[in-house]
Amino acid sequence: QQQVKQSPQSLIVQKGGISIINCAYENTAFDYFPWYQQFPGKGPALLIAIRPDVSEKKEGRFTISFNKSAKQFSLHIMDSQPGDSATYFCAASGAQKLVFGQGTRLTINP
Amino acid sequence: SQTIHQWPATLVQPVGSPLSLECTVEGTSNPNLYWYRQAAGRGLQLLFYSVGIGQISSEVPQNLSASRPQDRQFILSSKKLLLSDSGFYLCAWDRSARTEAFFGQGTRLTVV
Repeated sequence: QQQVKQSPQSLIVQKGGISIINCAYENTAFDYFPWYQQFPGKGPALLIAIRPDVSEKKEGRFTISFNKSAKQFSLHIMDSQPGDSATYFCAASGAQKLVFGQGTRLTINP
Repeated sequence: SQTIHQWPATLVQPVGSPLSLECTVEGTSNPNLYWYRQAAGRGLQLLFYSVGIGQISSEVPQNLSASRPQDRQFILSSKKLLLSDSGFYLCAWDRSARTEAFFGQGTRLTVV
């Protein structure tokens, strides 16, 4: 019940395309859903986060879509750029620790 | 501003040797502290987390232990390293589980 399932494991998108990464959770006590971005050899950094009282949050080219009834949320990267190539992690938490998905390695081809 | 320091950046240790990785946080008090391991496949595996001095929760049975001797200091240790302990170790902190987590730069551990 503490798991967050993330897909796909890897994703290749052409420059200018839309990158979509999906996550699903089971624990209904989760109420905070962040996405982290990690470049090789570095620690992850917060990209964008959402709480379940809204269905969508947009920050620049990055959008989180949240479906509370389905217990799913996704990250959309519009106009994907080579600089977006990184590993992306979804996560979820409630009152206690943050639980991460397994990560998606995104490659944007120029 | 808050900063997190983690060292060393890289470490090569022989099998059976001890390990001590240190993480310190500056600019905040009473943070939650975390140790994660990231194997070659990418996933972040939570090893330990701590909500206060001397309070350690272990997530998976393993060859490692953690301690929090001071409010902003978190130490990952092993008495005898195994080959399977190789990986990228990340320390992190947050004010609560519902806020942004800040990660250190990581330690690349290779056990030979």
